[in-house]
Amino acid sequence: AQKITQTQPGMFVQEKEAVTLDCTYDTSDQSYGLFWYKQPSSGEMIFLIYQGSYDEQNATEGRYSLNFQKARKSANLVISASQLGDSAMYFCAMRSNNAGNMLTFGGGTRLMVKP
Amino acid sequence: DAGVIQSPRHEVTEMGQEVTLRCKPISGHDYLFWYRQTMMRGLELLIYFNNNVPIDDSGMPEDRFSAKMPNASFSTLKIQPSEPRDSAVYFCASTSGEENYEQYFGPGTRLTVT
Repeated sequence: AQKITQTQPGMFVQEKEAVTLDCTYDTSDQSYGLFWYKQPSSGEMIFLIYQGSYDEQNATEGRYSLNFQKARKSANLVISASQLGDSAMYFCAMRSNNAGNMLTFGGGTRLMVKP
Repeated sequence: DAGVIQSPRHEVTEMGQEVTLRCKPISGHDYLFWYRQTMMRGLELLIYFNNNVPIDDSGMPEDRFSAKMPNASFSTLKIQPSEPRDSAVYFCASTSGEENYEQYFGPGTRLTVT
């Protein structure tokens, strides 16, 4: 079974600063994918970034990067130059390639950006 | 593409009533997922389909919940009879079978059972 742990229920960051949201995972599978989603107060789930377990480079998408440490089973999201619009819930999720395409989600981290 | 479409966006019903939630996945996607989000339990996978066939329904809470996918462009999640503890946001998501494809989520249906 897969498990995703996000240990930070809530975080504050000053506008324009960088912030790291933690995510650790547990799986016995060798092939898997890690995802981050953003959920603003409006409720929709917005895909941010993906990292495959065999990818050697850390994934980057604009201001988002994923700090992937396979041996530690961590996949932290780094948001650079925080903006007020980054205030939202952030969910880490994992897909095991041996279990169809279903995602297992962590409990989420609420990020609040201060002006 | 219009994205994943869910209806209704909001549903308020009384305990004991039947509730049907609807989902239209993105055209060409062969996987469809139903999730439920609550404050207490977070995001939970209820059931998912591949090529219209239910693959894993182990997350369906109990027999009051049922889901169907009669064709590639339509799925329903039914609760009969509904109970107050079913109050949640229900998301439908779809994806293709490609390894690095994200799941595209619909806007969700906020269900309130009184």
